Amino acid sequence: KAGVTQTPRYLIKTRGQQVTLSCSPISGHRSVSWYQQTPGQGLQFLFEYFSETQRNKGNFPGRFSGRQFSNSRSEMNVSTLELGDSALYLCASSLAGEGGYTFGSGTRLTVV
Amino acid sequence: DAKTTQPPSMDCAEGRAANLPCNHSTISGNEYVYWYRQIHSQGPQYIIHGLKNNETNEMASLIITEDRKSSTLILPHATLRDTAVYYCIVGREYGNKLVFGAGTILRVKS
Repeated sequence: KAGVTQTPRYLIKTRGQQVTLSCSPISGHRSVSWYQQTPGQGLQFLFEYFSETQRNKGNFPGRFSGRQFSNSRSEMNVSTLELGDSALYLCASSLAGEGGYTFGSGTRLTVV
Repeated sequence: DAKTTQPPSMDCAEGRAANLPCNHSTISGNEYVYWYRQIHSQGPQYIIHGLKNNETNEMASLIITEDRKSSTLILPHATLRDTAVYYCIVGREYGNKLVFGAGTILRVKS
């Protein structure tokens, strides 16, 4: 079966711009989570969506937002990009939010 | 969520068993122990999880102590492809926000 698909794989943006990342979960999975990975902070939880509702949220500023569509696909948006937002953004899905998540390969965002 | 403590790095000879320890002394009764690994530049990969009983799947075995304060992930016959960062995470069964620590860098050497 197809895995978790994230697009685009790589992205370069300028400070102050905004960006939207996309995640298509495994078919049938209704929970989608997003994580940020940086060399300094490691893997950090951003938010989790289940059936189009945000169920959990990490400690990130309001510039980071997300949504989930009725087909379980999810997007995350970062507005007013800062240099420190450069990171690997990972999406993970599971059937109902149970712990055995399947991760995508990530989107590597570089802010210049 | 309870926190975990893992050694920063370990080495293992190819073909031998790799035993990765994890301490989670503040784990609560309804929290599971999850193991993931991350090979360089890829997304984390789920390995196994358990509540109190030992678990085994095609990738690994998970041994949880009776008091549940620590666990060991066992890769029975490590290969070079098992070189990765291994994360031990404690969390609920559903609605988890996985809290990743620094993990253990496992180097499998020929």
